[in-house]
Amino acid sequence: SQKIEQNSEALNIQEGKTATLTCNYTNYSPAYLQWYRQDPGRGPVFLLLIRENEKEKRKERLKVTFDTTLKQSLFHITASQPADSATYLCAPLGFQKLVFGTGTRLLVSP
Amino acid sequence: DAGITQSPRHKVTETGTPVTLRCHQTENHRYMYWYRQDPGHGLRLIHYSYGVKDTDKGEVSDGYSVSRSKTEDFLLTLESATSSQTSVYFCAISESMAGGRGQPQHFGDGTRLSIL
Repeated sequence: SQKIEQNSEALNIQEGKTATLTCNYTNYSPAYLQWYRQDPGRGPVFLLLIRENEKEKRKERLKVTFDTTLKQSLFHITASQPADSATYLCAPLGFQKLVFGTGTRLLVSP
Repeated sequence: DAGITQSPRHKVTETGTPVTLRCHQTENHRYMYWYRQDPGHGLRLIHYSYGVKDTDKGEVSDGYSVSRSKTEDFLLTLESATSSQTSVYFCAISESMAGGRGQPQHFGDGTRLSIL
């Protein structure tokens, strides 16, 4: 079955550093992968989409990579800020549906 | 923010009672989804709709039914609630189905449902 793995442990970093979150998937080859941000008590909010033929995508301080050989996507936040603290979900495309990972919680301390 | 309203936002009920959750959108999007989110699990799709009166099952549909009589409203019903259905329920909408142009899903802020 399709499986998504995100680090369940929280990632703690200091303000100004680069945060790197990992999303691994197995048993399928998604045509694209989406990343979402979720704050406590709120629904997920879409951030970025990357397609299988794109190696890298950027949006302001965010960067996403997609390695179809490793079956992995990396999500980077550069110059991180306390306001970036949230849970980040990856969602590769399954069979005509998104399959969501459990998310990684990011904590950015001042 | 996408115009998605879920109601109620919180509900506590007893095992065996029927429960209906409502999702209302003002975006006129064709696709609507119901997910549940539990610790240790990602968002899991319960049911989705691809138009008025057109619905289909997701991966965890047992014990749930849905209805969509208008474009803007998508109802999720637990006919006889069980404690295993205690969860946070999210509604989402999208312009196209996943597998199309990769359109994002827009989520409501969820309903926290506790079944005692």
